[in-house]
Amino acid sequence: GDSVTQMEGPVTLSEEAFLTINCTYTATGYPSLFWYVQYPGEGLQLLLKATKADDKGSNKGFEATYRKETTSFHLEKGSVQVSDSAVYFCALRGGGGGNKLTFGTGTQLKVEL
Amino acid sequence: EPEVTQTPSHQVTQMGQEVILRCVPISNHLYFYWYRQILGQKVEFLVSFYNNEISEKSEIFDDQFSVERPDGSNFTLKIRSTKLEDSAMYFCASRRTDLGEKLFFGSGTQLSVL
Repeated sequence: GDSVTQMEGPVTLSEEAFLTINCTYTATGYPSLFWYVQYPGEGLQLLLKATKADDKGSNKGFEATYRKETTSFHLEKGSVQVSDSAVYFCALRGGGGGNKLTFGTGTQLKVEL
Repeated sequence: EPEVTQTPSHQVTQMGQEVILRCVPISNHLYFYWYRQILGQKVEFLVSFYNNEISEKSEIFDDQFSVERPDGSNFTLKIRSTKLEDSAMYFCASRRTDLGEKLFFGSGTQLSVL
């Protein structure tokens, strides 16, 4: 079945550091890929998405590129801020139909001054 | 921005008790979901609900679980006889239409079964 694997956390960075959170997936067909973010005390929010190979999703300075050849969707940001501290979830919606999301475990990011 | 509301934020119950988790989806949304995350594990899909019936459910969603939209605004998840392993964060989500629309999540209910 479908599955998502993302890097273990927590990740602690200094402000303005470069961020990468790795995500790889296993799925049949052509899934859509997502990054969700959960700030403290809030629900999961869609951060960005990509629906086909080589698409790049971007939002709030974050980017991720749908790499079918490596089955990856790594999240990157060039310069993180303290306000980016949150839990980041990689997810996919299978290409075989249905509307459920398959999530990874989430990666906690803490950005310090 | 509109939001999905879940209550309570934290619920403690004794093993074997029934528990109802409550959600108020965004008002013009038509598709409703429950997910859960056991501590340290992945967020898992439980069930999706549309047009007053379950449209898809996972293996986790056995006879102990049920969902209901009792009054057109609330969406509830009932666990009939809780087990220790039901302890998790439960997330409600809703979507206005089907594929292609953003999924809105609530902030979750942390269920602790003692």
